[in-house]
Amino acid sequence: GIQVEQSPPDLILQEGANSTLRCNFSDSVNNLQWFHQNPWGQLINLFYIPSGTKQNGRLSATTVATERYSLLYISSSQTTDSGVYFCAVAPSTDSWGKLQFGAGTQVVVTP
Amino acid sequence: EPEVTQTPSHQVTQMGQEVILRCVPISNHLYFYWYRQILGQKVEFLVSFYNNEISEKSEIFDDQFSVERPDGSNFTLKIRSTKLEDSAMYFCARAGVYEQYFGPGTRLTVT
Repeated sequence: GIQVEQSPPDLILQEGANSTLRCNFSDSVNNLQWFHQNPWGQLINLFYIPSGTKQNGRLSATTVATERYSLLYISSSQTTDSGVYFCAVAPSTDSWGKLQFGAGTQVVVTP
Repeated sequence: EPEVTQTPSHQVTQMGQEVILRCVPISNHLYFYWYRQILGQKVEFLVSFYNNEISEKSEIFDDQFSVERPDGSNFTLKIRSTKLEDSAMYFCARAGVYEQYFGPGTRLTVT
């Protein structure tokens, strides 16, 4: 099956700092989503981005499908950005396919 | 688009007992998924359900698991005889136009 690798596994930031999270995947995809898991365990949709670039406030994401990676940018980080960020993909061979999740990046933003 | 809701938010059960986790779609959707997340680990696919039938299931989804849509609305995951290793967060998700939307999860604790 498709492999998803996220880096770094852990990230500690001071409030106000910028950061980049990376997601590599091993096959072509028709779905790529970024999620933020908050301290209550809820998975919050951040981006649906199988290709291209999107921005939403202080967050933006870029997926280069031909090179099989996606980047999530957090700018001017705030303590509320703390949590685990997951990348999840579904292979192109699967029209309504299951999502394969990466192991996540644990982000801690300190005041 | 609104996400699904799940009940209960937390369930504690004794080993060997049956549990039923419920997913309540806000509108009439046809394609659903169940995922689970053992504490500290990544989210794993369990089963997908389309038009009242299982369309795909993972190796984790063995004979102790079942899914159904008993009243055409609620979507349930049943674990027949719980084991300690079934302790996890269970997420229901629905397919949107392009992406999947996750419910808030049910935290299952097996003692």
